[in-house]
Amino acid sequence: DVKVTQSSRYLVKRTGEKVFLECVQDMDHENMFWYRQDPGLGLRLIYFSYDVKMKEKGDIPEGYSVSREKKERFSLILESASTNQTSMYLCASSFPSGSAPREQYFGPGTRLTVT
Amino acid sequence: AQSVSQHNHHVILSEAASLELGCNYSYGGTVNLFWYVQYPGQHLQLLLKYFSGDPLVKGIKGFEAEFIKSKFSFNLRKPSVQWSDTAEYFCAVNKGGSYIPTFGRGTSLIVHP
Repeated sequence: DVKVTQSSRYLVKRTGEKVFLECVQDMDHENMFWYRQDPGLGLRLIYFSYDVKMKEKGDIPEGYSVSREKKERFSLILESASTNQTSMYLCASSFPSGSAPREQYFGPGTRLTVT
Repeated sequence: AQSVSQHNHHVILSEAASLELGCNYSYGGTVNLFWYVQYPGQHLQLLLKYFSGDPLVKGIKGFEAEFIKSKFSFNLRKPSVQWSDTAEYFCAVNKGGSYIPTFGRGTSLIVHP
């Protein structure tokens, strides 16, 4: 069974703080993703990574950065947290695409509140 | 840019009612299609997926979806819903060959016992 874990379920930070969200998967997946989930907006892709040290911007990368030093771990960094980054953050992983569709496996999410 | 539309944002049903949630996408080429479900307090999980072959796909918990290529649609159905189906449902579409899905905005389903 694939397991994707996230370091915190709930997090409260102050405006201007640097925030680290950690994600770990145990299935040797090449691809990892960070999304934010907001009511009525669905899932929006922030960044993704298809290999160690590789990263690509998603649809809403502004204000975020990522790090992938090991295959199993993908970190999302808020350089200077702002109140509009209050959201649910979801990490996901998947195998690369090939001859079969590759669904994503999601972590439980981190609900971040920036005050 | 590819987009995915889920027409119903909120659906409220009584137990035993039939369910159909709409999903349309805008990409014209080969696609992989998914429905994910998020039960209250739980993580998103796969409900069903379509890659090729029979356009009628069966998933977990009695759900099914039909891919209609001419209509660019992948609607989710269940003949008789249960209170435990209360959840948020997301449609997702990968362009053929891509591992990056585009998600719809989600449909919140509430089933009254």
